[in-house]
Amino acid sequence: EAGVAQSPRYKIIEKRQSVAFWCNPISGHATLYWYQQILGQGPKLLIQFQNNGVVDDSQLPKDRFSAERLKGVDSTLKIQPAKLEDSAVYLCASSSSRTGGSEKLFFGSGTQLSVL
Amino acid sequence: GENVEQHPSTLSVQEGDSAVIKCTYSDSASNYFPWYKQELGKRPQLIIDIRSNVGEKKDQRIAVTLNKTAKHFSLHITETQPEDSAVYFCAAYSGGFKTIFGAGTRLFVKA
Repeated sequence: EAGVAQSPRYKIIEKRQSVAFWCNPISGHATLYWYQQILGQGPKLLIQFQNNGVVDDSQLPKDRFSAERLKGVDSTLKIQPAKLEDSAVYLCASSSSRTGGSEKLFFGSGTQLSVL
Repeated sequence: GENVEQHPSTLSVQEGDSAVIKCTYSDSASNYFPWYKQELGKRPQLIIDIRSNVGEKKDQRIAVTLNKTAKHFSLHITETQPEDSAVYFCAAYSGGFKTIFGAGTRLFVKA
């Protein structure tokens, strides 16, 4: 089966600019996650979708980050305006759970964001 | 909130030796414990997992043990090889329907 697709692979922007990331999960996977991975740390959950509804966005800095999953398939994550501390790899993952829970996660290759 | 602690942060072993990485979790409702391997510049990939109704699971050179009472779980890699060099993350699937990751262990296997 095809894996989780993410784009772009790399992005360099200046602080206060905007940026958007795109994710296409594995076909049929109901649950989609966005994780932020700062260099040297473990992935930190930003937001979790079940179909097109938000299950958990408690760790999402809502003053600057937003995410949507229209039609319960693709998802976009946006940062506006970006700060230096947003430099990280943004990982999208999906799982097949239909009950709102995550078990085995399948990750995309990630988008490496550098904010200058 | 839920928390997963992982030790050590860095581990260096000689090829052929064993490596052990330990994790503790805080949410007693956690019932699924996966381990992910992340090679440099690549995505994390699941290498082994264990559920709370099992104490130990083995897959060739890797094994995971779980002590629910102490809220500890560990990854054991035997006969390490240079290709085992990577960052390993433990995780716990919490009762809040989300996966919480440890900070990672960077494993170096010296040839």
